[in-house]
Amino acid sequence: EAAVTQSPRSKVAVTGGKVTLSCHQTNNHDYMYWYRQDTGHGLRLIHYSYVADSTEKGDIPDGYKASRPSQENFSLILELASLSQTAVYFCASSPWTGTNSDYTFGSGTRLLVI
Amino acid sequence: GEKVEQHESTLSVREGDSAVINCTYTDTASSYFPWYKQEAGKGLHFVIDIRSNVDRKQSQRLIVLLDKKAKRFSLHITATQPEDSAIYFCAASHDTNAYKVIFGKGTHLHVLP
Repeated sequence: EAAVTQSPRSKVAVTGGKVTLSCHQTNNHDYMYWYRQDTGHGLRLIHYSYVADSTEKGDIPDGYKASRPSQENFSLILELASLSQTAVYFCASSPWTGTNSDYTFGSGTRLLVI
Repeated sequence: GEKVEQHESTLSVREGDSAVINCTYTDTASSYFPWYKQEAGKGLHFVIDIRSNVDRKQSQRLIVLLDKKAKRFSLHITATQPEDSAIYFCAASHDTNAYKVIFGKGTHLHVLP
């Protein structure tokens, strides 16, 4: 079954440390996304990618980097983690065309920065 | 920037009753409106959508209404069941940029026995 798998499921990081969140999809989708979910804010797009070796800024990219080394893998990198980056992070994938019914989300990574 | 406002942050209904979740959007170019469900500890999954060329769509117990003039759309869940309890997100996007989705803040639906 096609899927989006995120790792780790949860993580505690110290302020100023480096954090890498990983995402792997088996959907053969071109697009991949990183969202963060905060209570009262819904989902906000951080970075996305439509092809390997290329990433694009979303709506809230500051403090985050992304890497798409292959079609299947998309990472979110926090070089200097801050308290404000405590949130739940979701990865998703979608084909390059089509409707949002084709979006597939991962189960999320719960990040706590202390 | 463009926004999708989801009016109810929490909604409680009795099992068997109907639940209605309302959203408004600001981008007049929005033409595609999906809804997602998030169960506890899980990611979002798609439940139903509507395109701007229709004003009503039904899938089993789910009905979506769209009022383009008012830039408003709503999800109606009829004959609610306990398994309907979850967070529901509305969203909007341009048809030509389906990847650029703007989400509402979510509505936590509680179906009470």
